[in-house]
Amino acid sequence: QKEVEQNSGPLSVPEGAIASLNCTYSDRGSQSFFWYRQYSGKSPELIMSIYSNGDKEDGRFTAQLNKASQYVSLLIRDSQPSDSATYLCAVKRTSYDKVIFGPGTSLSVIP
Amino acid sequence: EPEVTQTPSHQVTQMGQEVILRCVPISNHLYFYWYRQILGQKVEFLVSFYNNEISEKSEIFDDQFSVERPDGSNFTLKIRSTKLEDSAMYFCASEEVGAGYTFGSGTRLTVV
Repeated sequence: QKEVEQNSGPLSVPEGAIASLNCTYSDRGSQSFFWYRQYSGKSPELIMSIYSNGDKEDGRFTAQLNKASQYVSLLIRDSQPSDSATYLCAVKRTSYDKVIFGPGTSLSVIP
Repeated sequence: EPEVTQTPSHQVTQMGQEVILRCVPISNHLYFYWYRQILGQKVEFLVSFYNNEISEKSEIFDDQFSVERPDGSNFTLKIRSTKLEDSAMYFCASEEVGAGYTFGSGTRLTVV
């Protein structure tokens, strides 16, 4: 069974701080990696995708990938209360494969 | 921005009844998916659909489930005889190849 693991949290950070979210995956054949944000009762929303080792930045978000360690992370700089949500790490093996989701990490940004 | 549309937003049904959940994927996407999320649990894959046929299905997607794309735009999930444990949020998603999913807003299915 291919697994994606995340700390369930809750992770609490003060407003303006950096939030760091981590994810590990078991399938070494995974090629595509995603971070989704899910507000309570809502559908997941894609916020970052990363396909090669290293960092990828988009605004306040930075995704980091280390395939050798089977590790993906998401950094949120200058955290805002509106960032309070569950963050889902997701992986897929090939472009044509399904996405497998982790259980999510709940983030709470304290004003 | 293009979006995936799901109807209804909430469906209440009696155990043993059939339900059909409807989705309109983004028009130029080729891959379509159904996922479900039981309250408090993770998002689980049900089925993927490409070129008018199922490309993969999970263990959850047993004989009581079926999908079809009857008219080239709608993408439906049918549950033939609902059980209490089918109560969940059901999400439809579509994808340009490898770009990540766009999810619909979901249908909350409550089986009583």
